Amino acid sequence: AQSVTQLDSQVPVFEEAPVELRCNYSSSVSVYLFWYVQYPNQGLQLLLKYLSGSTLVKGINGFEAEFNKSQTSFHLRKPSVHISDTAEYFCAVSELGQGFSFIFGKGTRLLVKP
Amino acid sequence: GAVVSQHPSWVICKSGTSVKIECRSLDFQATTMFWYRQFPKQSLMLMATSNEGSKATYEQGVEKDKFLINHASLTLSTLTVTSAHPEDSSFYICSARDGTSGSYNEQFFGPGTRLTVL
Repeated sequence: AQSVTQLDSQVPVFEEAPVELRCNYSSSVSVYLFWYVQYPNQGLQLLLKYLSGSTLVKGINGFEAEFNKSQTSFHLRKPSVHISDTAEYFCAVSELGQGFSFIFGKGTRLLVKP
Repeated sequence: GAVVSQHPSWVICKSGTSVKIECRSLDFQATTMFWYRQFPKQSLMLMATSNEGSKATYEQGVEKDKFLINHASLTLSTLTVTSAHPEDSSFYICSARDGTSGSYNEQFFGPGTRLTVL
C-alpha cells in the first residue's frame, strides 16, 4: 500500500454553499473506502463507506461520495454545508486481504464561515 | 450501534513513568483491535494490530518494547507506554473490529486518549 492523498489541507466555504473534499488513492488490489469526521479532541465518526455495489454512496449528515475506479478517487460532497460541519475529515482505505487495517489520508479541515 | 470506549480520556505523567490505556468494545466481540497515534493537525498512523489471544503485529518503526499491547480478551485491549518521554505525547486512538461473521466488518473507533508527558 499504497497511499491516500487528500490534496486540500483546508477548505474554507460559506454556510449553505456546496463543498467537495477530494480523495485519491493508489493500490494494486481491491479496496474498501471510507470517510470519517473528527471533531476537536474526539475520535473518528464514520460518515460513509464504499464496500461494493453502487458507486454513489450516501452517508450521514447529508454527505455523499462517489467511487471512481478509473480515477482512483472517492470525493466527498455536500450540497449545502452548515456551521456545525466545521471539522477535520479523513479519507481512509482498507485493502482486501491486508488484515483490514486502514491507511488514512492527511485530512482536510473544512471551515464553514457564516 | 457498536461502541468502543477508551480509558482514560486524558492523562498527564512524568517522564520515565509508564502509562496504560484501555480500549474496550462494549457491545460486540472485538477479534481484532488496532492502535493509532495522531500528532497535532496530522493524520492517524497505525501503530499495531492485535488479534485476541495473539501477539500484536507492529508497524515498521514502532518500538514493540516501548509500546506494549495486550489483547487478552474479546472486549479489551491495552496499550502501555513504557518509560514515557515528552516525544511520546500524542493522541492515541484505538479501533475494534468484529471478525466473527466472516464477512467484512467495519472498524469502530474509540474517542481517543490524550497523553501528555512532562
